[in-house]
Amino acid sequence: AQKITQTQPGMFVQEKEAVTLDCTYDTSDPSYGLFWYKQPSSGEMIFLIYQGSYDQQNATEGRYSLNFQKARKSANLVISASQLGDSAMYFCAMREGPTNFGNEKLTFGTGTRLTIIP
Amino acid sequence: GAGVSQSPSNKVTEKGKDVELRCDPISGHTALYWYRQSLGQGLEFLIYFQGNSAPDKSGLPSDRFSAERTGGSVSTLTIQRTQQEDSAVYLCASSSQGSSGRRGPTDTQYFGPGTRLTVL
Repeated sequence: AQKITQTQPGMFVQEKEAVTLDCTYDTSDPSYGLFWYKQPSSGEMIFLIYQGSYDQQNATEGRYSLNFQKARKSANLVISASQLGDSAMYFCAMREGPTNFGNEKLTFGTGTRLTIIP
Repeated sequence: GAGVSQSPSNKVTEKGKDVELRCDPISGHTALYWYRQSLGQGLEFLIYFQGNSAPDKSGLPSDRFSAERTGGSVSTLTIQRTQQEDSAVYLCASSSQGSSGRRGPTDTQYFGPGTRLTVL
């Protein structure tokens, strides 16, 4: 089974509208972290936002927020007031494992290509 | 401050040749990671370093792949006898994950710009 599932290969959104990028995950470990990265055409992976499995509140970073629904194992990224510069690939990733180092790798989804239309 | 740097940015090689890819992590970051992104695919974990040791090498696809890290800083990923299927973007990341094993935003992985490897 896929550990990270992103079901939207591509999305087109009008500028200034809000957009939700879906991510579901699968793990039996109670301790995990969820990350969203942005990859523009330049290729560099840019960290956007993090949600820990024990965090009580949804993470927010500027225009980015994470809609964390633990029981449903979903961690959707919400971008408010989208801008042309938001056009990029977006990856959801998970780090799972106990608190000791040695289980640090990130497992990535296949990504969603977001295009903002002027 | 300076981010993760990787060199070369592009590498074209012939099948059967060896290549070395270099990664300079963010200063002070103890953890270093290598990933591979093939065309049309997501990112695939290769290896993880904590200091100079590699607790997790589970993602290395074959014994042609090896990596080392010296001085707790620079890392080199070596691919021997390259094959066409090795063509991909190789991404390096680092984090400030400490030996205490504390988790949280401090273990966020920050990525370099990648090395695009093309094997002809």
